Order: sequence, then C-alpha cells, then structure tokens
Amino acid sequence: SYELTQPPSVSVSPGQTARITCSGDALPKQYASWYQQKPGQAPVLVMYEDSERPSGIPERFSGSNSETTVTLTISGVQAEDEADYYCQSADSSGSVLFGGGTKLTVL
Amino acid sequence: EVQLMESGGGLVQPGGSLRLSCAASGFTFSSHWMHWVRQAPGKGLMWVSRINGDGSSTSYADSVKGRFTISRNNAKNTLYLQMNSLRAEDTAVYYCARDPDPSTTYFDYWGQGSLVTVSS
Repeated sequence: SYELTQPPSVSVSPGQTARITCSGDALPKQYASWYQQKPGQAPVLVMYEDSERPSGIPERFSGSNSETTVTLTISGVQAEDEADYYCQSADSSGSVLFGGGTKLTVL
Repeated sequence: EVQLMESGGGLVQPGGSLRLSCAASGFTFSSHWMHWVRQAPGKGLMWVSRINGDGSSTSYADSVKGRFTISRNNAKNTLYLQMNSLRAEDTAVYYCARDPDPSTTYFDYWGQGSLVTVSS
C-alpha cells in the first residue's frame, strides 16, 4: 500500500535551516501539504500544493517537490518552530495519507 | 472567522457506539468537503473519512469501513461521525477539518478535537 515516509526527528540550532523530507511513490502525481502541530494543539496548515504558503504563515517556511520527495524548509529557525510536522497527500483512489511525522527540535 | 467545534466524545465500552458532531461557522458549509482525522495518544495523524458538499459521496479508511458513518446536515452547518462497534484501537482525539479544494485535498481549518476513549 502507498505510504509517506518522514524522518522521525530533525534537530537544528536557532537561526539555521531545517529541512524535513517526505517520500512517496505517488508524489510526482499528487500534491503534498504540510502541517505543524504543537503539544496539546490541533494541527496548523503551513504549506499546501507542495509550495504554496497560506496567509499568516511566516516567509521562512517554504516547500519544494523533486520527483518522489517533497521538502519543507524552515529558514532561520526560531524556538517557536519546535513542533511535530506532518506531510499529507492522497492516493489515486482519493484516500488521504499522512506521513508518520517529524519532531523538529530547536537546540 | 472560520470555526469548527467538535463535541460528543467520551468514554465508551468496547463494542459500543458514539456520535461525534462538528459545528461549523464563518463559511458556506455546504460548499466544502469535510473530513474526520484522528490521532491516537502519542501517535501520528490518521485520516478517517470524508464527505462531499451535498453528502452524496463518502469515503473511509479501511480500518473504520463498515463501522463508522460520516454524514452532514447543511441546514444546521454540522458534520457527524457515527461510530459503531468501537474497539480499543479507536481511542484517539478526533478532529474535523475543512477541505478547501477537493481536487488537491488538504485541510485549511481544524477543530480543537474531541477525545474518544474506548475502554472497559
């Protein structure tokens, strides 16, 4: 079955660049989205259609797609960016898929 | 302002039933596909179900197919999830979420979540 694979954890120092990847065979044909989730809170959309940033999301968040991998890049990471990040896409039948999540730690 | 507010969660015994509601406001509810997404304690997000704007088309994750039913009442701006034959592995926070574009499917607004605990 189709899966989206993310690294379990990424660690960066404040001010550095964090890159979180999401891999899946259907990604060349399907858009991906990204969500940020802080403890005890609902997820928040931070990127959609691979590289579109919703209003209100800081410009330091960007997205890219390269064949079977999509990447969420956070430039100039701040302490407030520490959270779990999930990628999401859909398969050809319309079922929705989430990656397993990546815990971003700001050192 | 778009708002989604879930209710109806609680403690239920294995094999029991529960109905979740999601009250929507701040947008034209009938124009949007809606979804349920759940998150087991300490685990990741899992998509549960979706319904189109007029309620004529639904889809379910394999793990809930035949046990859960999604529906909506556009006159009341409310989304529902009827959960039957509940199992311990259904224990999770259940979120309703709005889908602004079903051609690409993503979730731009989420509710605060409703906790469902299945335990004897």
